[in-house]
Amino acid sequence: QVQLVQSGAEVRKPGASVKVSCKASGYTFSGFHMHWVRQAPGQGLEWMGIINPSGGDTNYAQKFQGRVTMTRDTSTSTFYMELSSLTSDDTAVYWCTRDRVFFSRSWTFDFWGQGTLVTVSS
Amino acid sequence: QSALTQPASVSGSPGQSITISCTGTGSDVGAYNSVSWYQQHPDKAPKLLLYDVDNRPSGISNRFSGSKSGNTASLTISGLQAEDEADYYCTSYTSSDTRVIFGGGTTLTVL
Repeated sequence: QVQLVQSGAEVRKPGASVKVSCKASGYTFSGFHMHWVRQAPGQGLEWMGIINPSGGDTNYAQKFQGRVTMTRDTSTSTFYMELSSLTSDDTAVYWCTRDRVFFSRSWTFDFWGQGTLVTVSS
Repeated sequence: QSALTQPASVSGSPGQSITISCTGTGSDVGAYNSVSWYQQHPDKAPKLLLYDVDNRPSGISNRFSGSKSGNTASLTISGLQAEDEADYYCTSYTSSDTRVIFGGGTTLTVL
């Protein structure tokens, strides 16, 4: 069965960076793009970007360009999302979520990780 | 880019039907049939309910249905059940640099 297991909660100070991991299993790793979505406390969902596991090419939401880096390690079937220059506004739950369609970008999300809480506080 | 517009809350009694609207623009909802709906229970990850306006993934009840007219998409839940009480989010592909835009979310209360 498809599983996306994310790394644990993180606490960072303003200005720092955080790197969240997402280990995929139960499906062909290279066949499905991975998205990252976040949700601030009590707020709605926000799409951050997408990575192609085959070539590693990425597409970031304009809001995060220059501050987010999405990568993958094909040897361990793991995705990473690194966010830099953190502020309190980045306090949120971050999810990795798989694109629904094999070898394409449907921009819909069928499987989700369990979420990683990132807290930014001085 | 602004979020898609959803009502903040809707409510209904068990067995009734409710509809949640999702209004965008000609650059997102109106331009593409890539509208999806997600259900989120408290402290849980969202769950895909519908994709491409009106398609249900395997395992999703046919009580959930979708439609679109112009710049507005809609989610209808029929035969309301207590477990339907959750937050609902629409999304759409958009031609802007932000490829996916979410609605602000709608809280459904089952009375």
